[in-house]
Amino acid sequence: KQEVTQIPAALSVPEGENLVLNCSFTDSAIYNLQWFRQDPGKGLTSLLLIQSSQREQTSGRLNASLDKSSGRSTLYIAASQPGDSATYLCAVSTNQGGKLIFGQGTELSVKP
Amino acid sequence: SAVISQKPSRDICQRGTSLTIQCQVDSQVTMMFWYRQQPGQSLTLIATANQGSEATYESGFVIDKFPISRPNLTFSTLTVSNMSPEDSSIYLCSVGVGEKLFFGSGTQLSVL
Repeated sequence: KQEVTQIPAALSVPEGENLVLNCSFTDSAIYNLQWFRQDPGKGLTSLLLIQSSQREQTSGRLNASLDKSSGRSTLYIAASQPGDSATYLCAVSTNQGGKLIFGQGTELSVKP
Repeated sequence: SAVISQKPSRDICQRGTSLTIQCQVDSQVTMMFWYRQQPGQSLTLIATANQGSEATYESGFVIDKFPISRPNLTFSTLTVSNMSPEDSSIYLCSVGVGEKLFFGSGTQLSVL
């Protein structure tokens, strides 16, 4: 049974710091991995999607890496801003169109 | 991408009553997904709703408790029946477009 774990559960950093969020999964047979951002009252926003054959994806100040063999992914946020404060969730899919299995999220707070 | 309108955004309900959550998408989609996020927990898939057929429920979720309708390719409802305080959660609908998953803003349900 696939399980997804995110560490740390919460993180507080001063504005401008670079930071890394971690995600691990128990079964390396994934189809893709996605990182989401969750804001209170606003649902989830898809940030980055990495296919199982890819090593990383970048969007602006965000970079996500994937090491399928070790069951790990990281989300790197450069030059953090207070607007980055949110809960970040990773989720894996085992096949195309299949259900996503979510981690419990990392609650990020960026202090001005 | 997809724009998803979900309502109500929040509700407070009495034990034993039922609540129907609506999800409207701005484009036609084959599959719609309903997730539950219990306090402090990750998202868990309740069921997958295909237009014109019965929804497919995940282990631990049954149709009598969470009946789903999917009358057309842009709309779905989830009913939480005979509610108890344990049903207090955020309920989210989502759709897949390409490889990505898009979410509604969620329904915050509190059962007294």
